[in-house]
Amino acid sequence: GAVVSQHPSRVICKSGTSVKIECRSLDFQATTMFWYRQFPKQSLMLMATSNEGSKATYEQGVEKDKFLINHASLTLSTLTVTSAHPEDSSFYICSASGSGQAYFGPGTRLLVL
Amino acid sequence: DQQVKQNSPSLSVQEGRISILNCDYTNSMFDYFLWYKKYPAEGPTFLISISSIKDKNEDGRFTVFLNKSAKHLSLHIVPSQPGDSAVYFCAASPAYVGTYKYIFGTGTRLKVLA
Repeated sequence: GAVVSQHPSRVICKSGTSVKIECRSLDFQATTMFWYRQFPKQSLMLMATSNEGSKATYEQGVEKDKFLINHASLTLSTLTVTSAHPEDSSFYICSASGSGQAYFGPGTRLLVL
Repeated sequence: DQQVKQNSPSLSVQEGRISILNCDYTNSMFDYFLWYKKYPAEGPTFLISISSIKDKNEDGRFTVFLNKSAKHLSLHIVPSQPGDSAVYFCAASPAYVGTYKYIFGTGTRLKVLA
């Protein structure tokens, strides 16, 4: 099946710093990618839809100025958590659509101290 | 407001028996449903899907049943194996083709006992 990678897999940062997470579709082109976050023992919550070459569409309650999304090419979307705070600590997962389904990346564990 | 619900947070089943995981949804616009399997600290892995024009879809040991009038779907795993132990999420989408924007349920942790 299709492969989606995320980098980094784990990041620890200080409060107030910004963290960039990359999502790549390795063997197919994805015009649309999605970003989710998952808190422990909870569901995957859709944060935003990332469209190649255009602005991302954010779900209700997600701050677009805090979670910056860039979809510069058909194989790369980035999520930047700006001025991270401890409450932003979570598991961030991207998905990319192709071949009739969405393929998920392995996730990025963010810990903000 | 949780549009996709999995009311059983956990389930234990003996190896070889049937595992039945349930999922309910509230939005009648949902047209496409999927089941994903997830291990801790990993991304979800696609298992099986079903569109609203069907009421059953089977793939090996996995069968998904859809009752659209009841807004209910279930995943049957027969026979259950210890390797099936994971968290299972159902997900729903408002269209069969053209969107991969999924709304996920809260997950059910399945434990298959050897």
